[in-house]
Amino acid sequence: EAGVAQSPRYKIIEKRQSVAFWCNPISGHATLYWYQQILGQGPKLLIQFQNNGVVDDSQLPKDRFSAERLKGVDSTLKIQPAKLEDSAVYLCASSSRDRLSGANVLTFGAGSRLTVL
Amino acid sequence: AQSVTQLDSHVSVSEGTPVLLRCNYSSSYSPSLFWYVQHPNKGLQLLLKYTSAATLVKGINGFEAEFKKSETSFHLTKPSAHMSDAAEYFCVVSVTGNQFYFGTGTSLTVIP
Repeated sequence: EAGVAQSPRYKIIEKRQSVAFWCNPISGHATLYWYQQILGQGPKLLIQFQNNGVVDDSQLPKDRFSAERLKGVDSTLKIQPAKLEDSAVYLCASSSRDRLSGANVLTFGAGSRLTVL
Repeated sequence: AQSVTQLDSHVSVSEGTPVLLRCNYSSSYSPSLFWYVQHPNKGLQLLLKYTSAATLVKGINGFEAEFKKSETSFHLTKPSAHMSDAAEYFCVVSVTGNQFYFGTGTSLTVIP
């Protein structure tokens, strides 16, 4: 099966500009996640979707970050306006139920690296 | 509440020697536990998972992990390190199925 697709892989912008990241999860995966990974740290959950509904966005800085998953398939994460501290890798993941164990397993995309100057 | 503690932020081993990356978890319920590996400029790849079946779990690339409920641990091991094992490793716990909690990561260096 195809993996989680993300684009762009790299983006350099100046502070106060805007940027958008796109993610297409594995076909049939109902749950989609956006994580922010700052250099040297573990991934931090920004937002979690179940189909096209938001399950958890408690750590999303809503004054500048927004995300949508309108048709319950692909998703877009937007930052406007960007700050220097937004420099990070933005990871998209989707989850599915493992057939043998019944547990949900995360599958990640390659990530989108954002540099804010 | 759920949490994960990776006890070492950096581990260095010589090529051909054993690898031990330590992970302790805190969970009110029976957890699912995972180890992911992240090579430079790559996404996270699943190494192995524990989901209440066998307590000794085998993963890809020769890695294993043992779930010890009494010690609330899920340490990752490999008998013989290879240069290609140099990467960042994350321990992850899930208890509700769709919520995942990450450790802070352990950076593994393999010395030739």
